[in-house]
Amino acid sequence: DTEVTQTPKHLVMGMTNKKSLKCEQHMGHRAMYWYKQKAKKPPELMFVYSYEKLSINESVPSRFSPECPNSSLLNLHLHALQPEDSALYLCASSPIWGSGNYEQYFGPGTRLTVT
Amino acid sequence: KQEVTQIPAALSVPEGENLVLNCSFTDSAIYNLQWFRQDPGKGLTSLLLIQSSQREQTSGRLNASLDKSSGRSTLYIAASQPGDSATYLCAVRASSNTGKLIFGQGTTLQVKP
Repeated sequence: DTEVTQTPKHLVMGMTNKKSLKCEQHMGHRAMYWYKQKAKKPPELMFVYSYEKLSINESVPSRFSPECPNSSLLNLHLHALQPEDSALYLCASSPIWGSGNYEQYFGPGTRLTVT
Repeated sequence: KQEVTQIPAALSVPEGENLVLNCSFTDSAIYNLQWFRQDPGKGLTSLLLIQSSQREQTSGRLNASLDKSSGRSTLYIAASQPGDSATYLCAVRASSNTGKLIFGQGTTLQVKP
């Protein structure tokens, strides 16, 4: 099973709302990622978790708050977002993070619209 | 700093044609290179992964090559079909960059029936 799942598929939220995105994998991977993708652009890395600890934060605004409750689950908590945060949010996982030759697997994404 | 470039940005071909997508990168110190396919509004599907020690990888009608010394990779699609229409992204994992994936801007392919 090489599947990364994400819920919800679509999310519309107001600027004062609080919502969460969820990502799950059952491949035994110990690294999980959040990416943001705007239309016609490649994905941009936001966060990396390795062994349930935050390893990389690419200077993401605090209105995005990641959480890794266990090795299979990754959440992204959203609060006080701006319309420019509307994008496709992609989750990915890999066996490890850092040095080495390994593959990343991506989920189907959550289409977020901030009104 | 590793930079990845994909040419062309868009490509339109008639069904049945063989085609080549190009990817170039500036730093040859890489662990591997991945080719992805992305349908509009969807996630990334990994097509092929080439390790730095490999020259090519094949999967069905797809063949990816890697020339690390010249910083180039190509994705060859044989006998293209309308279902191949999508955006194709290449990404390298640079060994000098904590393992981050560095993406190209993508090539959007349209295969006309």
